[in-house]
Amino acid sequence: QVQLQESGPGLVKPSETLSLTCTVSGDSISSYYWSWIRQSPRKGLEWIGYIHYSGITNYSPSLKSRLTTLIDTSKKQFSLKLTSVTAADTAVYYCARFSYDYRFFDLWGRGTLVTVSS
Amino acid sequence: DIQMTQSPSSLSASVGDRVTITCRASQSISSYLNWYQQKQGKAPKLLIYAVSSLQGGVPSRFSGSASGTDFTLTISSLQPEDFATYYCQQSYSTPFTFGPGTKVDIK
Repeated sequence: QVQLQESGPGLVKPSETLSLTCTVSGDSISSYYWSWIRQSPRKGLEWIGYIHYSGITNYSPSLKSRLTTLIDTSKKQFSLKLTSVTAADTAVYYCARFSYDYRFFDLWGRGTLVTVSS
Repeated sequence: DIQMTQSPSSLSASVGDRVTITCRASQSISSYLNWYQQKQGKAPKLLIYAVSSLQGGVPSRFSGSASGTDFTLTISSLQPEDFATYYCQQSYSTPFTFGPGTKVDIK
């Protein structure tokens, strides 16, 4: 059974960097695109970006200047780094599997709440 | 960015009711429209993709349709486990965008 699990700090100070990792179990990380999506009361569900093991990335223009994603196929993990965070980045962050052929998010992690506060 | 709107934002219904949720895209998105169900404290779950294709394991009481840039999710006979929030999402172009959601609760 394929599962995704997010991990990372739940509290980040303003102006610092938010770092999260998603671990993929039960499937090859090379077969899909892997995405980050966040959800907040203010903005609802917001797509952050995706990464493919080949190095292909696609980011939301609103976050692109602050965003880096990496993928480690040996560990079956992909990660997100968002710099210069503010309270507006407070959200539940989900990692999700994106099927490029069918253009849907068919598998999601449970999500992790990240709060930006001093 | 393509804007997605949904109506209503919430509705109250009874078990057995037929429920219809509408989603509208700000421009043509072809058939790249998906529907997700989210229960409180859980991640969204894919219900329908490409307007009307049911994801595996999703009950047949769920269906989707389209007319131009208007899309509809229908639950033919609402069941207790269907009380949740429903989101549409376009994957026609990046940035992928979601609708604001429709909360279905018990009447």
